[in-house]
Amino acid sequence: SHVLTQPPSVSVAPGKTARITCAGNNIGIKSVHWYQQKPGQAPVLVIYYDSDRPSGIPERFSGSNSVTTATLTISRVEAGDEADYYCQVWHSSSDHGWVFGGGTKLTVL
Amino acid sequence: QVQLVQSGAEVKRPGASVKVSCKASGYTFTSYDINWVRQGTGQGLEWMGWMNPNSGNTGYAQKFQGRVTMTRDTSISTAYMELSSLRPDDTAVYYCARAFYYYDSNGYYISAGFDSWGQGTLVTVSS
Repeated sequence: SHVLTQPPSVSVAPGKTARITCAGNNIGIKSVHWYQQKPGQAPVLVIYYDSDRPSGIPERFSGSNSVTTATLTISRVEAGDEADYYCQVWHSSSDHGWVFGGGTKLTVL
Repeated sequence: QVQLVQSGAEVKRPGASVKVSCKASGYTFTSYDINWVRQGTGQGLEWMGWMNPNSGNTGYAQKFQGRVTMTRDTSISTAYMELSSLRPDDTAVYYCARAFYYYDSNGYYISAGFDSWGQGTLVTVSS
C-alpha cells in the first residue's frame, strides 16, 4: 500500500482543466514534487516544492498543497499532456526515504 | 546541460547480481545526491535509495537493505547501483536521478525534487 494515494485515472477533454490529487497524512507540512512520465520515457519533473515550476515547464502546470491533499492542476489540457503523473514526498518515519504515489493516468478525450 | 547516461540492458539469472552505472555530465558530480528508482512493467515508481557522491554516504529503502549497494567513482563522475540475490520480480527499468536542492533567501535548505533522470536500464531476471 502507498503512503500517498492518487486516483488511478483522470479523464479530461482538450482545453479543459485536469486536477490530479495526492492524499497523505499531514502532506500539507511536506514539500510535494510532481512528475510526468510518458510511455517508454523517463519521468520529468513538472512541479517542485508544492507549486514551483522548473524552467521549460508550461505555465499551464500548477500545484497546491493543503492539509491532507496536494493537487496538480493542468489548465487548457492538450493531447500531449496525456501521461502518467506521480507525486513524491520525503517520508520521515522509521523507514524514512522518498515515497512516490501510485500514479495517475491522465487521458485526454 | 545536465545529463545522466546509464549502462545498457542486462539479463541475469535468479540469484545473480547486477551492477548498473550512471555517468553524470554538465555539472559538478559531487554537489548533488544521486538516487535510484525502479519501475516494474506496468507498475509505478519505487525509490531504492540515495548516495552522496561527495562523502559516499548512502541511505537505502528498508525493502532493499542488505541487497543493494550504491557506490561512486568521482574520477569519472559515475555512480553505481548493485543489486544482489536477484529474483524474477526484480525485473524492472532502473533509473538514476539527481536530487536538486537550493538555499532560499533565508538560508533554508529547499528540496527541489529529482530534476534530471537517466534514460533507464532494463534489468531482466529470468531462468
